[in-house]
Amino acid sequence: EVQLVQSGAEVKKPGESLKISCKGSGYFFANYWIGWVRQMPGKGLEWMGIIYPGDSDTTYSPSFQGQVTISADKSISTAYLQWSSLKASDTAMYYCARRVGGYNFDSWGQGTLVTVSS
Amino acid sequence: QTVVTQEPSFSVSPGGTVTLTCGLRSGSISTDYHPTWYHQTPGQAPRTLLYSTSTRSSGVPDRFSGSILGNKAALTITGAQADDESDYYCGLHLGSGISVFGGGTRLTVL
Repeated sequence: EVQLVQSGAEVKKPGESLKISCKGSGYFFANYWIGWVRQMPGKGLEWMGIIYPGDSDTTYSPSFQGQVTISADKSISTAYLQWSSLKASDTAMYYCARRVGGYNFDSWGQGTLVTVSS
Repeated sequence: QTVVTQEPSFSVSPGGTVTLTCGLRSGSISTDYHPTWYHQTPGQAPRTLLYSTSTRSSGVPDRFSGSILGNKAALTITGAQADDESDYYCGLHLGSGISVFGGGTRLTVL
């Protein structure tokens, strides 16, 4: 069974850094793109970017380019989403998801709630 | 910037049929965009319903169907049930590995 398990909720202050994770199991992690999706409180889904763990090829949405960094460590089947300096507007639920067929997500993580508040 | 449009809200009676649409502010949707439909209930992660316009994900009943209607992608639910009440999002592949979501439709069954 394909599973994506994300790290737990985080509470941070503005200006702090953060790295959240997404661990895959039940499939060959290196061979499938992993994407990250933001959902701000009460809002819709936003496609942030994707990474191919096999060679760390990464594509970002123009809206998120330069705002976050997506990385992966295929040796431990884990993808990451990180911020160098958080803002209050980064407060959101973040989901990872596996992309198949080159186009759509088929399996989702449970989400990581990030709260940024002074 | 590509803007994907969805009806903000829709309601359907139990047992009824409803069609939700996904369009582009500029342009038409074709199968080349590989429309995907996701649904999400409050407090839960999204789940994939349909992909590549009309292929149902594993376990999705056949009362959910997808198509291209005119210049939009469409999700049709027949025989609506109470637990179909959810937020529905479409996703489109724009090329160069990038995708985008629509703003979502909140479906009420009443």
